[in-house]
Formats: sequence, structure tokens, C-alpha cells
Amino acid sequence: DAGVTQSPTHLIKTRGQQVTLRCSPKSGHDTVSWYQQALGQGPQFIFQYYEEEERQRGNFPDRFSGHQFPNYSSELNVNALLLGDSALYLCASSSGTGGETQYFGPGTRLLVL
Amino acid sequence: QKEVEQDPGPLSVPEGAIVSLNCTYSNSAFQYFMWYRQYSRKGPELLMYTYSSGNKEDGRFTAQVDKSSKYISLFIRDSQPSDSATYLCAMSLTGNQFYFGTGTSLTVIP
Repeated sequence: DAGVTQSPTHLIKTRGQQVTLRCSPKSGHDTVSWYQQALGQGPQFIFQYYEEEERQRGNFPDRFSGHQFPNYSSELNVNALLLGDSALYLCASSSGTGGETQYFGPGTRLLVL
Repeated sequence: QKEVEQDPGPLSVPEGAIVSLNCTYSNSAFQYFMWYRQYSRKGPELLMYTYSSGNKEDGRFTAQVDKSSKYISLFIRDSQPSDSATYLCAMSLTGNQFYFGTGTSLTVIP
């Protein structure tokens, strides 16, 4: 049983560029949440997708957008990258009735130069 | 004021010691409480989940929630070097958006 998978594992971009990160949820899960984890900090909630709609959003600007596909996989897009966007981006999956049991993927480490 | 406060440590204990990790929170409406373990450069791994108040035990791990004090704890008995990691507490109102502490770095010395 594959757990949560994310791609790519590492990424280097320059300021102003755009990036797309991908996530496949754990088998049987239909809800995907995205988190940003800066070095030495806890994860910060970006948003959650369920039934291909954004169900809840944290305190992140509109430069952060997402999408969920019919197979429940998801993408996180970040436009106009800033140096401060450098972080570990984590995807977590859960079942739709409640996100209390969230399983995380290994993350994508993004470095913005 | 942060939603969740967690002492970042670092915490260093000898092998076999009992470890106590704690978080406080400000929102009394939180109902879902989780503990995650995160090894360096890896994603968080779910350790314990508690709904509302009370205690939960799983092997060497015990999670406690005291909603009246807005305080949660994780106890690790007979700590092992493999327990060396960062421990993150997380909590939520609805089970959707989770608020995390900054994490406590733990080292268990053989």
C-alpha cells in the first residue's frame, strides 16, 4: 500500500518564477491538504482540497493556488516566487469525513534564489 | 499570540528515561489533538491522535489532553536512541485545518 507520494523531492527556482508541486494521496483517501514548513518551524496550513474544490484555506496570499484531480491527486502552484517561499512543502491526505487522521508525504524542498 | 506554543528544546535524555513533551494552546474550541514525529529532512509521521479530553496509550507512548488547562502532553517511556527526532503537536477545531507547534527536538543518548 503506497503512502502519500510527492514530486519532485527537491527544486531550485529564482525569484519571480512559478512552480508546480504534485501529490498523490494514500490509497483510499480523497482529501488533500498542503502545508509549508520553514526551517525550524512547524508546518503552516495552506489549503485543503476535497471533491476537487478548495474546502478551507489558511493565511496565504493568492499567489498560492491549487487543484485536485478526479483521481484525488493534487497540485500546488506558487506564482511570483519570493525568497521567503523557500521551505519544505508537505502534502497530507485523509478521508473526506474529517481530516483528523492526516498522513504526510516526504515533502518537496523548494529553494528560491 | 500564537495558536499553539511548544518549547523547541533541544531536549537531551539518557536511554531508558521517561520523556515528557508539552504544548499549550489558546483556542478552547480545539477538539482534535495529534502528535507527530519528524526525522530530519522527512515528512511528519503520525504517532498519536486524541479527540477531546482524556488519555490514550499506545505501546511506550501516552498522550494526555487537559482541555480545562489548554495543555496537552506526550510521554515516552523507556526512551530509545531511535526516538531521537523532532516532535510536533497539532490541533484542530474541525479536523480539517491543523495548527502546529514549532516542534521539540529530542536526542536520546545511548
